[in-house]
Amino acid sequence: EAGVAQSPRYKIIEKRQSVAFWCNPISGHATLYWYQQILGQGPKLLIQFQNNGVVDDSQLPKDRFSAERLKGVDSTLKIQPAKLEDSAVYLCATATSPENTGELFFGEGSRLTVL
Amino acid sequence: AQSVSQHNHHVILSEAASLELGCNYSYGGTVNLFWYVQYPGQHLQLLLKYFSGDPLVKGIKGFEAEFIKSKFSFNLRKPSVQWSDTAEYFCAVIPGSSNTGKLIFGQGTTLQVKP
Repeated sequence: EAGVAQSPRYKIIEKRQSVAFWCNPISGHATLYWYQQILGQGPKLLIQFQNNGVVDDSQLPKDRFSAERLKGVDSTLKIQPAKLEDSAVYLCATATSPENTGELFFGEGSRLTVL
Repeated sequence: AQSVSQHNHHVILSEAASLELGCNYSYGGTVNLFWYVQYPGQHLQLLLKYFSGDPLVKGIKGFEAEFIKSKFSFNLRKPSVQWSDTAEYFCAVIPGSSNTGKLIFGQGTTLQVKP
């Protein structure tokens, strides 16, 4: 079974530039999450989708971050403009449903460095 | 503030030593508890989970965890570690009785096993 695919794996940008990350979930997984993992910390939830609808974006810094999942499959996370503190690994995780007891399948992440 | 705390940031053990990684959470009421592991160069994956019933939970690769409600703890244990257990370990919680799948992670513990 193919896993959660993320790209790019690495990205280096200067502050105030924009960046976009892409996630392709496991086939049939209706629930998709984006997490931010800053070095030395655990992953922190940014946004949760159920199919193509947003379930929870309460921790997404909406002045600079946006995310979409237009057809209920792939998702993109965008940062514009980036700040130094956005340097982190952005993890996409998926599950068959939100009731699926916390077993999330993670991608390998996209590492962002903001200079 | 509600949180998940992992007491040890970096643990170094020799092969065959016993392992115990501490995890405490500050949420009252019902919680679902998890340990995730990230091996070097790989994605986060589920190690074990607890929802209800027997507070001693067994996971993959010989790991187990014990839920002690009175201590708000969910410590991870393994009687004899191997070099291949070198990884980062994350404790995670879903607070509340309704499972939204939104994991709240601790800051992680890096385990280094010396051959």
